[in-house]
Amino acid sequence: IVMTQTPLSLSVTPGQPASISCKSSQSLLHSDGETYLSWYLQRPGQSPQLLIFEVSSRFSGVPERFSGSGSGTDFTLKISRVEAEDVGVYYCMQGIHLPRITFGGGTKVEIK
Amino acid sequence: EVQLVQSGAEVKKPGATVKISCKISGFTFTDNYRHWVQQAPGKGLEWVGLVDPEDGETMYAEKFQGRVTITADTSTDTAYMELRSLRSEDTAVYYCATGLRFPDYWGQGTLVTVSS
Repeated sequence: IVMTQTPLSLSVTPGQPASISCKSSQSLLHSDGETYLSWYLQRPGQSPQLLIFEVSSRFSGVPERFSGSGSGTDFTLKISRVEAEDVGVYYCMQGIHLPRITFGGGTKVEIK
Repeated sequence: EVQLVQSGAEVKKPGATVKISCKISGFTFTDNYRHWVQQAPGKGLEWVGLVDPEDGETMYAEKFQGRVTITADTSTDTAYMELRSLRSEDTAVYYCATGLRFPDYWGQGTLVTVSS
C-alpha cells in the first residue's frame, strides 16, 4: 500500500491552523471494523512519537489541538492552533496489512 | 513509565553483521509486538519487521527478508534485530518500538554506519 502525503512542507504562523493530507492506495478498513491509520511527529533530533491511532484516537498525553479524521483511503491530520513545539516532520502510517506496514513520505512543518 | 532503551552506535564494514538490542520496561513484555523501523540519513521512516514476544513469530518487510532476524528474550525483556551482509545503504538509525498494528512507544534509536 502506497501512502501519499501532501503537502511536502508547511510554514505556519503560531496560533494558526494547519492541515496535512494522507491518501492510501487501498482502503485501510480492516475486516475487524477498525481502520489502521496512525500519525506520528518526529521533532528535530528526536524519535518519532505517536499522535493519533485508528484515524482519530489521540494517544496518551497528546494535546487536544491535534485531531485526525477520514475514512477508507483519505485521511487528514489537523492542528487547531500551531505552537512552536509542533515543528518537525509528520508521518502517516498504515498497519492494515501485516507485514506490509508502510509510512507516508512525511510533511515538514515549520514556524513562520 | 514505559521505556525502550537501545544499544549504542555501531560501525561495521560491508558484508558484516550487526545486532542491536532494545530493553523494554514499564509494561508487560508480551503484551505487544516489537517493531523495528529504519531511517536513512535525511530520509523518511521504513518499517523493517516485528516479533511477537508471546510466541516468537516474526514478520519482515520484503526489502529486508532473508537478511534480517528479529527476536525477543522474555527473560530479560529485550528485543533484538540482527542485520546481515551489511552494505552502505544500510547506514541508518534503527528504532525499536512497541505496539500491535501501530508502533506506540519508541526507543531512542541506534545509528548503524556501514563503511569500509
